[in-house]
Amino acid sequence: EIVLTQSPGTLSLSPGERATLSCRASQSVSSSYLAWYQQKPGQAPRLLIYGASTRATGIPDRFSGSGSGTDFILTISRLEAEDFAVYYCQQYSSSPPFTFGPGTRVDIK
Amino acid sequence: EVQLVESGGGLVQPGGSLRLSCAASGFTFSSYSMMWVRQAPGKGLEWVSYITGSGDTIYYADSVKGRFTISRDNAKNSLYLQMNSLRAEDTATYYCTKCLPMVRALDSWGQGTLVTVSS
Repeated sequence: EIVLTQSPGTLSLSPGERATLSCRASQSVSSSYLAWYQQKPGQAPRLLIYGASTRATGIPDRFSGSGSGTDFILTISRLEAEDFAVYYCQQYSSSPPFTFGPGTRVDIK
Repeated sequence: EVQLVESGGGLVQPGGSLRLSCAASGFTFSSYSMMWVRQAPGKGLEWVSYITGSGDTIYYADSVKGRFTISRDNAKNSLYLQMNSLRAEDTATYYCTKCLPMVRALDSWGQGTLVTVSS
């Protein structure tokens, strides 16, 4: 089973700042089968990035994903008020389980 | 517009059963793999089960294997999760989710249905 670790647990930043979120896998994630989701309180998660770096439909270009193998990064170039949320990574490689990371909370400093 | 609407959640005693349903619309349901994902109160996301568009490939998380059964009725555009032998640790909001074409990333989510297992 691939275990995902996200860091930091909480990131306190101000609007306009850059956010860098890390997702590390316990073994290589094949073909960059790595996604990022955003979840706001009381809402279902929303897909931001898949294939490690491809933005989902309608996602602003301030969100970008990078990485391969075991180390992946989600970057929010300039935080806007609506970006303060919890972010999860998920790996969906060829074999289950399709695990999620524990999440990184981005809150307002 | 893609819509996924879950139903069937509620309060059930330990050892009991529930059947969750997900009504899908706005896309060709039979062409897409689907998953159930759950979230315990105040906790993170946990993948539960996966089914391909034709239903010929099914996977389960170890935590539910042998107790939960995923199925779909493509004629009714519906996804199901039969949950038996429920435990307190199954208490969660259960989300019906749709996979991207050829990719298991989850591009659409329902609003979720809450399952509470308690005596």
